[in-house]
This record gives sequence, C-alpha cells and structure tokens, in this order.
Amino acid sequence: AQSVTQLDSHVSVSEGTPVLLRCNYSSSYSPSLFWYVQHPNKGLQLLLKYTSAATLVKGINGFEAEFKKSETSFHLTKPSAHMSDAAEYFCVVSYVTGNQFYFGTGTSLTVIP
Amino acid sequence: NAGVTQTPKFQVLKTGQSMTLQCAQDMNHEYMSWYRQDPGMGLRLIHYSVGAGITDQGEVPNGYNVSRSTTEDFPLRLLSAAPSQTSVYFCASSRGLAARTDTQYFGPGTRLTVL
Repeated sequence: AQSVTQLDSHVSVSEGTPVLLRCNYSSSYSPSLFWYVQHPNKGLQLLLKYTSAATLVKGINGFEAEFKKSETSFHLTKPSAHMSDAAEYFCVVSYVTGNQFYFGTGTSLTVIP
Repeated sequence: NAGVTQTPKFQVLKTGQSMTLQCAQDMNHEYMSWYRQDPGMGLRLIHYSVGAGITDQGEVPNGYNVSRSTTEDFPLRLLSAAPSQTSVYFCASSRGLAARTDTQYFGPGTRLTVL
C-alpha cells in the first residue's frame, strides 16, 4: 500500500532548540513529498515540497527537509524552535501513478518557553 | 484573490438529515478535493475532481456525493447524516490535472457535528 508514516504523534522542544519531525514513506515509485503545517483552528499551509529536484529542500520560516531515498525518509528540521512553531505538522506523499495525496497522521509540536 | 472558501464554518445536524458543504476557489485550479480530519487519523480523502465534469472517489467516499459543474465550485453532499460523519471537513485545490507535484491550497474548514 502507498502510505506515509509519521513516527511521532507528539514532540516537545524548548524554545531555541532544534526541531526534528520524522516521516517515512513506503513505495517503490518516485514520490513527491510535502510538509504542511496547521495552526490551531486553521486550514493547512505548505511548508515545503520535494519533487525530484534537489534532495535538500528549504521551506518557509526556517524549516528544511532532506529526501533520503535509501532510507525512504523525508524528515523535517529547524535549527531553533520559536513559540510560533507550535502547531500540527503533516507529511504528505503523492506518486506518479496516481492523482491522490496521502497524509500522515500528524505530529503535534509543542514549544516550551 | 479569496483563495479557497468554505461555507458554513460550523454546522449541527440530526441523524438522517442531508446537507451540502460548499467549496469555491477563484484561482482557476483544475484539481479540487475534499478531506475529513479526525483526531489521530490525519486527513483522509473523500472525493476529488481533476476538472469540471470529472470526479472520483478517494479513501472514504461512503455517505458522500460530489459533482463538479464548474471549475470554481465543488460541493460535498451528505445524503443521510450519521454520527460517524462528525468531523472537520477541508476543501483543497491545486493548479494542474496532475496532482502529484502541485501545492494544495486549503480552505478554513467546516466543523460538522451529527447528533
């Protein structure tokens, strides 16, 4: 089955420390990978996406992610967390064989002052 | 541009009632989709459309109908509401016929409660 797994449902970090949100996908087909962020009671907004160009992708608000085909991973990182980063984060995958996007179950990020 | 708009923002239904969730976009996007968001389950695709007159089922289509008569509008109909349809519903659109690499733009969501 084509799917995406977010390895942590909740992550807590202190303000100013690094953020790591983990995502693995499962398919032998070439994926397009996305990270979206959802702030409380809001819709989703694109952070960044990988579409077979550079494997290290930079997004908005200082986030970046690296596509590692050998590990089937697309982890999201940020060097220094800010209070405004507290939100729900979704890893999303789509494939050249279809017209659908597949969402992970989400990771809730808490930033401690 | 207003982007993707959804109405209503909140709705309470009784079991067995029907209703339509409205979704519109003003970006001339071909691809539109409906998701439901439930705690711990992420977003699950209900139906999608790759252009006017073309719709297809997603992961959880049962109990929902869609149609796409114009590029701009993509309404979602609940035929006979059930408590299991209590959820937050998001409409999204993206530019091209091929969903694979395009950014999706999401509406603000509709919070539906079925009693």
